[in-house]
Amino acid sequence: LAKTTQPISMDSYEGQEVNITCSHNNIATNDYITWYQQFPSQGPRFIIQGYKTKVTNEVASLFIPADRKSSTLSLPRVSLSDTAVYYCPNAGNMLTFGGGTRLMVKP
Amino acid sequence: NAGVTQTPKFRILKIGQSMTLQCTQDMNHNYMYWYRQDPGMGLKLIYYSVGAGITDKGEVPNGYNVSRSTTEDFPLRLELAAPSQTSVYFCASVWVGTANTEAFFGQGTRLTVV
Repeated sequence: LAKTTQPISMDSYEGQEVNITCSHNNIATNDYITWYQQFPSQGPRFIIQGYKTKVTNEVASLFIPADRKSSTLSLPRVSLSDTAVYYCPNAGNMLTFGGGTRLMVKP
Repeated sequence: NAGVTQTPKFRILKIGQSMTLQCTQDMNHNYMYWYRQDPGMGLKLIYYSVGAGITDKGEVPNGYNVSRSTTEDFPLRLELAAPSQTSVYFCASVWVGTANTEAFFGQGTRLTVV
């Protein structure tokens, strides 16, 4: 069964770049890697998705090495409003999320 | 476009009562999920469905039941509510085809069992 592992928490300061890495144990060949963001009292929200190399959108970048055993979510110049929990869920039929990474952005 | 709609938003149940949490999606997604989230914790998968008429257990299915008679609806049934089922419940849907796409979540149902 595919399983992901990510740090429990991270601290940063406003204006810094934040990189959160996730390890993807037993990721299937046809599975995409996705990241979600969750604010308190809300459901998770999709941030970015990729399969290989680098993907960038208006809020984040996602780096995936050739072996696809890990991925790194990069948030450029974070602000206080980026304080949230970030998830890299296991792909496959059972979309399981685990505990996520709790990012705290300080002024 | 409503996306994923959950009802009710809040509910207080007494121990031993039963209730159904409703979830409806209007995106014609084939996969649907139910999660629970305890305070300060991640999401735990309760049940999921890969299409109408097909359901399967997730990580924490005990005390819950689901059905998927239509593509749009995926209700979660709690029988004999217990204090341990106090949690926030999220429903999600996603289209799974030749490439994965993003999952959409409802706004959650906050359930308290007293």
